[in-house]
Amino acid sequence: EVQLVESGGAVVQPGGSLRLSCAGSGFNFDEYAMHWVRQGPGKGLEWVSGINWNSGRIGYADSVKGRFTISRDNAKGSLYLHMNRLRTEDTAFYYCVSALENGSGIYHLDTWGQGTLVTVSS
Amino acid sequence: DIVMTQTPLSLPVTPGEPASISCRSSQSLLNSDEGYTYVDWYLQKPGQSPQLLIYTLSYRASGVPGRFSGSGSDTDFTLRISRVEAEDVGVYYCMQRMEFPITFGGGTKVEIK
Repeated sequence: EVQLVESGGAVVQPGGSLRLSCAGSGFNFDEYAMHWVRQGPGKGLEWVSGINWNSGRIGYADSVKGRFTISRDNAKGSLYLHMNRLRTEDTAFYYCVSALENGSGIYHLDTWGQGTLVTVSS
Repeated sequence: DIVMTQTPLSLPVTPGEPASISCRSSQSLLNSDEGYTYVDWYLQKPGQSPQLLIYTLSYRASGVPGRFSGSGSDTDFTLRISRVEAEDVGVYYCMQRMEFPITFGGGTKVEIK
């Protein structure tokens, strides 16, 4: 069974830092692109960042560019999101999402984790 | 960035009746070389994580009932439910993956009348 489990969510002060992790299991992790998608309280979905299977293609939303860094460790089957200079508007559930790759494009988001909550508040 | 505009914001539906949701992109999502249109549809049921319904304009994801279908052109897209069931309630999102940054529509909340 394909499973994605996020961890690392916490309450943090504005300006602080946090690292989210996502552990994948039940599939060949290095065949998948991985993404972070967030959802603020009562809001819609917002794509945060994505990374292809070999870390050769990385993208960020404008709202987090320069503050967040995505990375992955295929040997550990893990995805990370390093979040710096956090703002109150970064408060959200953060979902880890997988996308099976079959070429050089961007692929549909086929499996979603349960999410981890990040609260930025003083 | 590509802007995805969904309508309506809210959609009250009657079980057994059809329903449709529209989505428009600010740029073409058609990859002319490959002939594919890179729009997907997701459903977030109450209290759950989102799930994939339709990918690449019209392909149903594994396990998705046949009452769901996707169609459209290079900038205008439609998700149709042929006969709504009670379990279809939730918020539906369209999403483009033509290029980074990936962007979502604002969502359409489907609820039973």
